Amino acid sequence: GEDVEQSLFLSVREGDSSVINCTYTDSSSTYLYWYKQEPGAGLQLLTYIFSNMDMKQDQRLTVLLNKKDKHLSLRIADTQTGDSAIYFCAEILPGNTGFQKLVFGTGTRLLVSP
Amino acid sequence: GAVVSQHPSWVICKSGTSVKIECRSLDFQATTMFWYRQFPKQSLMLMATSNEGSKATYEQGVEKDKFLINHASLTLSTLTVTSAHPEDSSFYICSASLGINTGELFFGEGSRLTVL
Repeated sequence: GEDVEQSLFLSVREGDSSVINCTYTDSSSTYLYWYKQEPGAGLQLLTYIFSNMDMKQDQRLTVLLNKKDKHLSLRIADTQTGDSAIYFCAEILPGNTGFQKLVFGTGTRLLVSP
Repeated sequence: GAVVSQHPSWVICKSGTSVKIECRSLDFQATTMFWYRQFPKQSLMLMATSNEGSKATYEQGVEKDKFLINHASLTLSTLTVTSAHPEDSSFYICSASLGINTGELFFGEGSRLTVL
């Protein structure tokens, strides 16, 4: 199947670290992605990781990949109120025409309180 | 990064009318664009893959006669919701890819359709 699972909601205080988890389905996915969606807006690519990597760090963001368990996580250090949004993980799967397609997770709503 | 623009951002229409949504890549050429639909508090569901100069490829369960997609140029794809009904009310988001082997998509701002 194409179900990519995420926890629905996470609440943290400003300054804390946030960890958003994702379980994906296809072990052959070459890239895995994290997107951010603010209310009423489209999606913004935050970061991605190639499948032969275990970890990728990009400023406040750390992505961990456990291929054996098909588990992906996004850690946001020093979380700010501006980080409040919905975060989607996504995996890339073969499409119907040879073009690859992104399959998105269910989304995790992050709420950061002052 | 690359810029993708959608228009309109918000539309309200009467049941039975057709609505056209445009998706433009502003600073790059996109041979492939993707149309997603998002219901409130839910994830994005891929509706179709739009290929410049050829017919769109629809995902299973998406009615191609209901959701007409035209990708007439390398910078423009349109989605027309024909004979819209209240159940078609949703947030429609387009995206464009710089290449077929990358999942890095650039998303439009989304178009919120409300059908009365």
